[in-house]
Amino acid sequence: NAGVMQNPRHLVRRRGQEARLRCSPMKGHSHVYWYRQLPEEGLKFMVYLQKENIIDESGMPKERFSAEFPKEGPSILRIQQVVRGDSAAYFCASSPRDHLEQYFGPGTRLTVT
Amino acid sequence: AQTVTQSQPEMSVQEAETVTLSCTYDTSENNYYLFWYKQPPSRQMILVIRQEAYKQQNATENRFSVNFQKAAKSFSLKISDSQLGDTAMYFCAFMKGNDYKLSFGAGTTVTVRA
Repeated sequence: NAGVMQNPRHLVRRRGQEARLRCSPMKGHSHVYWYRQLPEEGLKFMVYLQKENIIDESGMPKERFSAEFPKEGPSILRIQQVVRGDSAAYFCASSPRDHLEQYFGPGTRLTVT
Repeated sequence: AQTVTQSQPEMSVQEAETVTLSCTYDTSENNYYLFWYKQPPSRQMILVIRQEAYKQQNATENRFSVNFQKAAKSFSLKISDSQLGDTAMYFCAFMKGNDYKLSFGAGTTVTVRA
């Protein structure tokens, strides 16, 4: 059973461009969570999704950020018009019904130049 | 909101020795869970150990054990017989019962010296 997959592992974008981060949950997992880790800090919750539904996006900035988890395919975290402050590592986790069992992907390190 | 505090930014330990990482948290909840995650240089987050607040017995996983003091809101991690592969950043995390959001501390970097 493959673990949580994230791609790309590293992404460089210029200010104003769009960043699309992908997360494929573990097989059989229908819950996906996105967390952001700023330099020298712990991870911060951004959004929780189930298939075709955003359950809680309270940790996500209101503008420029969006997330989806379609019926088919990976979950996508999209950042429009990136700014330098968006530079961070973005982690995806997935779980079966039990939220305690969150398995993390290797993260995507976004650098905005 | 829950806050998780890790007061030790860095710790160093000799191989085969023991190191203890501290974590305190602030909550008004009675039902919650506490976690320690390891983040090695590969940056993959790996669950080390989990503690249910309703359990008095401290959790143990091989060389990793916790000291859970509910009244003091303290949750320390002890790494025994440290190995070079234990070198990583360690994060303490909190989750309310019936919730799904993990709240993380700022982390402690542990370096195991040969």
